[in-house]
Amino acid sequence: AQRVTQPEKLLSVFKGAPVELKCNYSYSGSPELFWYVQYSRQRLQLLLRHISRESIKGFTADLNKGETSFHLKKPFAQEEDSAMYYCALSGKAAGNKLTFGGGTRVLVKP
Amino acid sequence: GAGVSQTPSNKVTEKGKYVELRCDPISGHTALYWYRQSLGQGPEFLIYFQGTGAADDSGLPNDRFFAVRPEGSVSTLKIQRTERGDSAVYLCASSLNTGTDTQYFGPGTRLTVL
Repeated sequence: AQRVTQPEKLLSVFKGAPVELKCNYSYSGSPELFWYVQYSRQRLQLLLRHISRESIKGFTADLNKGETSFHLKKPFAQEEDSAMYYCALSGKAAGNKLTFGGGTRVLVKP
Repeated sequence: GAGVSQTPSNKVTEKGKYVELRCDPISGHTALYWYRQSLGQGPEFLIYFQGTGAADDSGLPNDRFFAVRPEGSVSTLKIQRTERGDSAVYLCASSLNTGTDTQYFGPGTRLTVL
C-alpha cells in the first residue's frame, strides 16, 4: 500500500533562512509526487509536482527514488511562506487518488 | 472562472442523523474526488467519479457513506446514522480528466456530530 510520511509537524524558521520540509514515501511502481499548500483561511492548492521540474515561489523539490524522498526546499524563507504544507502521492497503481502525508506547519518569523 | 464550491460550509448535526454534503466542480471537469480531513491529519481519499460512475470507492469507511453524481457534474456525499467519529472537514476536488491532471480543491464542509 502507498504511504506518505512527513516527520515534522512544525518547522519554525526566521525570515531569510533556508527551509526544508521532509517527505518520504512508499509505493510499488512509478509514483507521481506533489506538494500542496494551504495558507491561512484559504483552500488547499497545488504548489508543485515533480514531473514539472519547476520552481514555484522559490520552492523546489527533487524526487530521489533511491531514498524514496521528495523533500521541499527554499533557500530564503519569506513571511508569506507561513502555511500548512502537504506532500502527496499518486500513480497508476493507486488509481488517480492522492495519498497525503500528515502535513508540516511552517512558521516564518520576522 | 469559478472554482470548486461546497455547501454547506459548516454543518452541525446530532448523532444518528442523516446528512448530505454537496460539491459543485469546475465546469467541464469530468473527474471529481471526495476526501476527508480529520483534525491534525492530512486529507484521506474517500471516492472518486469519472463522469457519472464511481471509479474507485475504496476509501469509503463503511456502508453508512454513499456518494452520487447523477449527471456527471454536481456530487452529493451522503452519510447515514452519523457518529461522532464522522466529525471532520470533507473536501471535494475536481480535475479536467483523471490521470495526471491537477486536482483543484474546494473550501471544504466542516461536519460536527454532537
